[in-house]
Amino acid sequence: KQEVTQIPAALSVPEGENLVLNCSFTDSAIYNLQWFRQDPGKGLTSLLLIQSSQREQTSGRLNASLDKSSGRSTLYIAASQPGDSATYLCAVRGGADGLTFGKGTHLIIQP
Amino acid sequence: EAGVAQSPRYKIIEKRQSVAFWCNPISGHATLYWYQQILGQGPKLLIQFQNNGVVDDSQLPKDRFSAERLKGVDSTLKIQPAKLEDSAVYLCASSLGQGVYEQYFGPGTRLTVT
Repeated sequence: KQEVTQIPAALSVPEGENLVLNCSFTDSAIYNLQWFRQDPGKGLTSLLLIQSSQREQTSGRLNASLDKSSGRSTLYIAASQPGDSATYLCAVRGGADGLTFGKGTHLIIQP
Repeated sequence: EAGVAQSPRYKIIEKRQSVAFWCNPISGHATLYWYQQILGQGPKLLIQFQNNGVVDDSQLPKDRFSAERLKGVDSTLKIQPAKLEDSAVYLCASSLGQGVYEQYFGPGTRLTVT
């Protein structure tokens, strides 16, 4: 059974810092990996989708990498801003199943 | 392009009552999912539909939860009778198909069972 772990569970940094969120998964037989953002009381916003054949994806200040063989992904956020404060969720998709999510990293960017 | 729509956004019920949630996926999306997100946890898949057929409902508590997707478009998720531990956000998502396709999520329905 696939398990997804996200480290750290919570992170608080001053505005302007570059930061890295980590995600690991136990079964490397995946179709893809998605990073989501969730604001309090809101649904999920997809940030980046990495197919299993890809190594990384970039969108603006966000860069996500995937090392399928080692079961790891990182989300890099450059020049963090207070508006980046949210919970970040990593999810993997294998076979015909839906997504398996981690518990998320709660990020606070201090002005 | 309109996103995934869900209603209601909030619902408060007493235990042992019944409740139903509605989801309208993105037009043309064949695959529809219902997830349950308990506070402090990541979402957990309850059921997956491909058109109007069930692909996976292994984590759906079938003694109290039911879901249907008539005509392969809208879907409803029902809980009867509700328990305190059903308090959660219920998220609906859709994708063009299974496998490599990206999933798009609705805003969710926050259920509180008292």
